[in-house]
Amino acid sequence: DTEVTQTPKHLVMGMTNKKSLKCEQHMGHRAMYWYKQKAKKPPELMFVYSYEKLSINESVPSRFSPECPNSSLLNLHLHALQPEDSALYLCASRPTGGTGELFFGEGSRLTVL
Amino acid sequence: SQQGEEDPQALSIQEGENATMNCSYKTSINNLQWYRQNSGRGLVHLILIRSNEREKHSGRLRVTLDTSKKSSSLLITASRAADTASYFCARRGGTSYGKLTFGQGTILTVHP
Repeated sequence: DTEVTQTPKHLVMGMTNKKSLKCEQHMGHRAMYWYKQKAKKPPELMFVYSYEKLSINESVPSRFSPECPNSSLLNLHLHALQPEDSALYLCASRPTGGTGELFFGEGSRLTVL
Repeated sequence: SQQGEEDPQALSIQEGENATMNCSYKTSINNLQWYRQNSGRGLVHLILIRSNEREKHSGRLRVTLDTSKKSSSLLITASRAADTASYFCARRGGTSYGKLTFGQGTILTVHP
């Protein structure tokens, strides 16, 4: 299994809602990433987990809350988002000890109304 | 910009032509990677070049790295309509090994 699976593919939420994005991989990778991508822009790093511990937080607002409950699963909990948070959220994983290549999921497209 | 620059921002060519995209960066790197993204989809890793390498090939892809100029280029030879996509360079380096930072990207359109 060489896939990173993200759900849902599309999500529409209001500014007062609480929702979660989910990412799953079964490649045994111990590093997992969340990136945010706006239209016609490059992906911007949000969080990195290494061995289920948060290792990088790129000063992301607290309305985004990551969680890594086990080595295969990564969640991004969303609360009180703003319309400008609408974007494609990409999850990626990386094998440890490798050259640093990332394996990406297809993304979750989020629209905040 | 910490993300580095890519040029051109957009490139439009005919099938069979070669496409060259350039990437510049500002800080030291461990390696530099190139990714492809079809419209609104996830990114796919294409090729990686280490900081001590100067050139690398993979199929129709050729990547070069000039660390003295802090620049890299990706050449796609004999392009096909299916190569239409956005291409991003991404650098790994600095003190945070886990961090991969993407350039601004080049939108490539290959006309049949």
